Amino acid sequence: NAGVTQTPKFRVLKTGQSMTLLCAQDMNHEYMYWYRQDPGMGLRLIHYSVGEGTTAKGEVPDGYNVSRLKKQNFLLGLESAAPSQTSVYFCASRTSGNLYNEQFFGPGTRLTVL
Amino acid sequence: AQSVTQLDSHVSVSEGTPVLLRCNYSSSYSPSLFWYVQHPNKGLQLLLKYTSAATLVKGINGFEAEFKKSETSFHLTKPSAHMSDAAEYFCVVRDSSGTYKYIFGTGTRLKVLA
Repeated sequence: NAGVTQTPKFRVLKTGQSMTLLCAQDMNHEYMYWYRQDPGMGLRLIHYSVGEGTTAKGEVPDGYNVSRLKKQNFLLGLESAAPSQTSVYFCASRTSGNLYNEQFFGPGTRLTVL
Repeated sequence: AQSVTQLDSHVSVSEGTPVLLRCNYSSSYSPSLFWYVQHPNKGLQLLLKYTSAATLVKGINGFEAEFKKSETSFHLTKPSAHMSDAAEYFCVVRDSSGTYKYIFGTGTRLKVLA
C-alpha cells in the first residue's frame, strides 16, 4: 500500500513551457486535492475532485488545469509556466463519509520556473 | 466562512520542556479540526484530529490538543519536547458548508534547542 504518490519529485521549467504533475492513490479514495505551498502562506487549494470525472476550482486555480479520468489519478497541468508558479505542490486524498475524515498527503513536487 | 489562525509563526523551546502551539478557528458550524506536522522536505502527516467524541484529543508522538468551544481554540501541546519534534505544524479546519474544502493555517515552525 503506497498511499499517495507524486511524479515527478523535482522539476525545473523555463517560462512558457508546459508540464503535467501526476498524483496517484491506491486507497480507493473518492476525493482528491491539489495544493501549492509557499513560504509563510500555508497550503492553498488549487483544484479538487469529488469523484472520477469531476473537478472544481479551489482558491488559486488560475494558470492550472486538472483532470480526473480515473479514480486513482489526479493530474495537474501547467499550460504555460510562469515564475509565479514556482512552488511546492502537494496532492492529497481522502475517503468519503463523515466530516472528520482526514486527508492523506503525497511527498510533494518541487517546481522551479525560470 | 470558516478560518483558522495560528498565533505564532515561530516557536523555540529547549529539549525536555513543554511545547504549546496555538490555533484559533472561526466556524458557524461544529468544526472538524486537525493538526498536521511537516518535517523538512517531506509531506504532511496527521498528528491528531477532533471528532467531537472528546474535547481532549491524543495524537501520535505524545502530542495532544484540547478543543475549547468557548475560546474557539484548538491548541497543540506536548509535555516534553524532543529534538525530532523540530518541524512545521499546521492547524486545519474542515469547511462543513458542503464544499469539501480544508482551510489551512499559515503554519508554526517549531525549533528545539539542545
